[in-house]
Amino acid sequence: QKEVEQDPGPLSVPEGAIVSLNCTYSNSAFQYFMWYRQYSRKGPELLMYTYSSGNKEDGRFTAQVDKSSKYISLFIRDSQPSDSATYLCAMETYNQGGKLIFGQGTELSVKP
Amino acid sequence: DAGVTQSPTHLIKTRGQQVTLRCSPKSGHDTVSWYQQALGQGPQFIFQYYEEEERQRGNFPDRFSGHQFPNYSSELNVNALLLGDSALYLCASSWGTRRETQYFGPGTRLLVL
Repeated sequence: QKEVEQDPGPLSVPEGAIVSLNCTYSNSAFQYFMWYRQYSRKGPELLMYTYSSGNKEDGRFTAQVDKSSKYISLFIRDSQPSDSATYLCAMETYNQGGKLIFGQGTELSVKP
Repeated sequence: DAGVTQSPTHLIKTRGQQVTLRCSPKSGHDTVSWYQQALGQGPQFIFQYYEEEERQRGNFPDRFSGHQFPNYSSELNVNALLLGDSALYLCASSWGTRRETQYFGPGTRLLVL
């Protein structure tokens, strides 16, 4: 069993839809949770960063962490064609100092 | 600010050969991490360098080695290449262990024939 599970998709939605992306994990020691966006043939770009449980909002993006269920989510409101990319969740324990464990990534396509 | 830069962008090698990939960190960053991303998969942590020493290592064989120079730039070396080493190799830099400052480069795409 992988430490971090993520549905690879692909996920296709119409422009303006609310997108929900999710990851589950097995290691209860994970404390830091991140979402990255990766465009084709580019490196991952950090979108959201949260510590422990709770919600964080940044513009059209909202990240949620539920440590009791070992489940994290990223919501994208008013999705745009420019949001079409692969979204990667990543996690880290308290003392790993930057050693990120990534999910497989979910490929998202937003159709005009 | 050029961000994290990597060279070369693409590389083709044959089995058994050796390869060296290079990374220049974002200005102000002193820590470099390397990841391997196979097609359709998430990145996997190879190792991390800080103060010219390997600080952490993932589950990769000794064929994978690295180096960090006094200017914080880094190299990833892979010996005795296997077909399975074909992947996108990503370099990420950060300021110390500040994970929220970790920026990724565009990667080097390695194809082993």
